[in-house]
Amino acid sequence: QLQLQESGPGLVKPSETLSLTCSVTGGFIIDATTFWGWIRQSPGKGLEWIGSIHYSGTTYDNPSLKGRVTLSLGTSMIHFSLKLTSVTAADTAVYYCARLRNTISGGMTQTHYYMDVWGKGTTVTVSS
Amino acid sequence: QSVLTQPPSVSGAPGQRVTLSCTGSSSNIGAGYDVHWYQQVPGTAPKVLIYGNTNRPSGVPDRFSGSKSGTSASLAISGLQGEDEADYYCQSYDSSLSVYVFGTGTKVTVL
Repeated sequence: QLQLQESGPGLVKPSETLSLTCSVTGGFIIDATTFWGWIRQSPGKGLEWIGSIHYSGTTYDNPSLKGRVTLSLGTSMIHFSLKLTSVTAADTAVYYCARLRNTISGGMTQTHYYMDVWGKGTTVTVSS
Repeated sequence: QSVLTQPPSVSGAPGQRVTLSCTGSSSNIGAGYDVHWYQQVPGTAPKVLIYGNTNRPSGVPDRFSGSKSGTSASLAISGLQGEDEADYYCQSYDSSLSVYVFGTGTKVTVL
């Protein structure tokens, strides 16, 4: 059974870079139509999609984060990572990693993806 | 950026049927993009209940059903049970923002 687990520092200073890793067990990152993504949840803004990555290296990220997002895959293909630069207090949230699946079997149209497996989440606080 | 609007709360007695709404616009639900629904028990991660407007993943009781019409979607919970107390979120894609968007969330209370 596929399981995801987020890891990384729980406290990041303002203007620094938030770095998180999602470990994938019980399944494979290398899948033709699957994307792997990050979603965050804060009291003020609810659930917010941050970005997604395919095993080929194709990435999509939320334009509202103004280019601060970098997504990458581990060389062993058993984890993927998020870096968010120049953080502020507004980036304080619970961060989840998730597997994204397409509602159309074999499809890769971005408009048809949903999050079918989630990690438990990790709380990140931005504060000096 | 919650561009999908949901009522803040819905309540019902055990055994009743409740319906949760999710209202979008012509750039998301109205554009024909699928709507998906998630259940989140406080302190835990969201869990998918409905995907592709009407489909239930294996293991989700058939008490949960989804529908979509125009710029809105609905999640119905029949035979309400105490374990259904949770927050529920809809999700779709928005073409004007080029992002996956979530609803504002509805808290379901079982009286």
